[in-house]
Amino acid sequence: DQQVKQNSPSLSVQEGRISILNCDYTNSMFDYFLWYKKYPAEGPTFLISISSIKDKNEDGRFTVFLNKSAKHLSLHIVPSQPGDSAVYFCAATSSGSARQLTFGSGTQLTVLP
Amino acid sequence: NAGVMQNPRHLVRRRGQEARLRCSPMKGHSHVYWYRQLPEEGLKFMVYLQKENIIDESGMPKERFSAEFPKEGPSILRIQQVVRGDSAAYFCASSSTGDSSYEQYFGPGTRLTVT
Repeated sequence: DQQVKQNSPSLSVQEGRISILNCDYTNSMFDYFLWYKKYPAEGPTFLISISSIKDKNEDGRFTVFLNKSAKHLSLHIVPSQPGDSAVYFCAATSSGSARQLTFGSGTQLTVLP
Repeated sequence: NAGVMQNPRHLVRRRGQEARLRCSPMKGHSHVYWYRQLPEEGLKFMVYLQKENIIDESGMPKERFSAEFPKEGPSILRIQQVVRGDSAAYFCASSSTGDSSYEQYFGPGTRLTVT
């Protein structure tokens, strides 16, 4: 049972345009969500997070939106840059758990120059 | 380097041998997590430790796998009698206490190949 789903395995966008990566979850106990970026042969790099008490969090070019009723979150990157090309993972956790992160399967973002 | 350190970066073992993976958390972090990534999959939680305590090992295979985080020194993930299915990337992460404690910071990983 996949509790965190990233249904798009890949996404291509033009440099300068907006990249929108989507993530759905099924576990109602999740109340904290994170996005990570991963380059080949490296560990995931933390990008941005959001608590379930918010519906939006912004940090520079990155904005995460949370729709609790739809159990859906998205990561917006604007403007997209070629260096943003990587695999993006959505992750979720519960404040009542031992903090383990449950990851989606990732979306490969390619930003075309 | 104040980041999470893992070694070795690459490890090759024959079937039946033991693999030892080491992780030093970020300075000031007291929580350590191990995750495994199989080819073409996302990361899967294995175990969560604090110094001298295993907090949650619900993601660890019941046999052959063990983890520790001693009072002194790095955290160790130990895999005994490795099999080909253990070939994967193993990532360690660490977090602090406090308001940002849900944010986990990852090391570069150890890529285990079992031949």
